[in-house]
Amino acid sequence: NAGVTQTPKFQVLKTGQSMTLQCAQDMNHNSMYWYRQDPGMGLRLIYYSASEGTTDKGEVPNGYNVSRLNKREFSLRLESAAPSQTSVYFCASSDGYSRLTETQYFGPGTRLLVL
Amino acid sequence: DAKTTQPTSMDCAEGRAANLPCNHSTISGNEYVYWYRQIHSQGPQYIIHGLKNNETNEMASLIITEDRKSSTLILPHATLRDTAVYYCIVFLIQGAQKLVFGQGTRLTINP
Repeated sequence: NAGVTQTPKFQVLKTGQSMTLQCAQDMNHNSMYWYRQDPGMGLRLIYYSASEGTTDKGEVPNGYNVSRLNKREFSLRLESAAPSQTSVYFCASSDGYSRLTETQYFGPGTRLLVL
Repeated sequence: DAKTTQPTSMDCAEGRAANLPCNHSTISGNEYVYWYRQIHSQGPQYIIHGLKNNETNEMASLIITEDRKSSTLILPHATLRDTAVYYCIVFLIQGAQKLVFGQGTRLTINP
């Protein structure tokens, strides 16, 4: 199992450009998440999807949109990139239904630089 | 806002036990304590979690005080590869939880 995979690993954008960050998991998990991490900071939740077909805002959703394409894939879109969106983006997934444990598994991250 | 308080940084000698404290004085009765770590900008990695009882797995032990207002993560024989930022998180297990990562503790294992 590859676990959680993210593409691309690194991206440079100019202000105003758009792009989509891709995330896929092969663990048959129901829930998926997008976080951003700024230098020296903890992770902040952007959006999450509790199950296929549903999405909800997290702490910092402004400037982003998401799509839960199917159970495996959860994409994050920046419609008009801004320098404030320079960050490392992590995707995560979890089972979503266990009542005893709810571990999130994280991807390797996408490093985004907006000039 | 994170509901936990952790020291900003700690040092530990290689081979020794690393004890990382966490205060969570406002924890409610059905909130779990989770520990994750992040090694050098990689994605966070789950370590261990608990509700009331002490827990142990192949990576670490978790000691939760009787009043549940604080806990300690113990890495019994720290190695250089344990150098990372360690996050203590409390939250309810219900559907898609929202992990709230604070600043964490930067643990440095020294040779």
